[in-house]
Amino acid sequence: KAGVTQTPRYLIKTRGQQVTLSCSPISGHRSVSWYQQTPGQGLQFLFEYFSETQRNKGNFPGRFSGRQFSNSRSEMNVSTLELGDSALYLCASSPRGDEQFFGPGTRLTVL
Amino acid sequence: AQSVTQPDIHITVSEGASLELRCNYSYGATPYLFWYVQSPGQGLQLLLKYFSGDTLVQGIKGFEAEFKRSQSSFNLRKPSVHWSDAAEYFCAVGARNFGNEKLTFGTGTRLTIIP
Repeated sequence: KAGVTQTPRYLIKTRGQQVTLSCSPISGHRSVSWYQQTPGQGLQFLFEYFSETQRNKGNFPGRFSGRQFSNSRSEMNVSTLELGDSALYLCASSPRGDEQFFGPGTRLTVL
Repeated sequence: AQSVTQPDIHITVSEGASLELRCNYSYGATPYLFWYVQSPGQGLQLLLKYFSGDTLVQGIKGFEAEFKRSQSSFNLRKPSVHWSDAAEYFCAVGARNFGNEKLTFGTGTRLTIIP
């Protein structure tokens, strides 16, 4: 069974732009979560989707948003990028919500 | 709110020596507990997990962890480390109630192996 895939793997943007990251979960997994990883703040939970509904949200500004499609694929969007948004963005999928399987991440650099 | 503390930021161990990485958690009930490993530039790989039952959990790559409720700890151990174990290790706690799926991670422990 294929693992969690994330595209693109690397991304460079400038301040003020917006970006969309994509995540394809493991087949059959209906829960998708997003995390931000930075050297200063570590791994922080962004949000979680289940059956196209956002069920949980972390403490991030409204510039960070996401959605999930009927095939469980998920996207996250960051608008008006700031330098501090440079991070590794990890997506994880889960069949039941207890064990999460992580993708390789998208490395976002904001210049 | 749940939280995880990994008191050791960086640990250096000789190849072949034993290893113990510490993890303390705070959670209102019995949590789900996890250890993940991350190699540079990579995502997170699950080493082992504790949900219930036997408090000594076996994982992949020869790792094990012991859940101690009285100490709110879930320390990771390996009897003999290999150079390929050099990576960053994260302890995480998850909520048990369905509909609240999120993991709270510790700050990680970077493991260096010396020959």
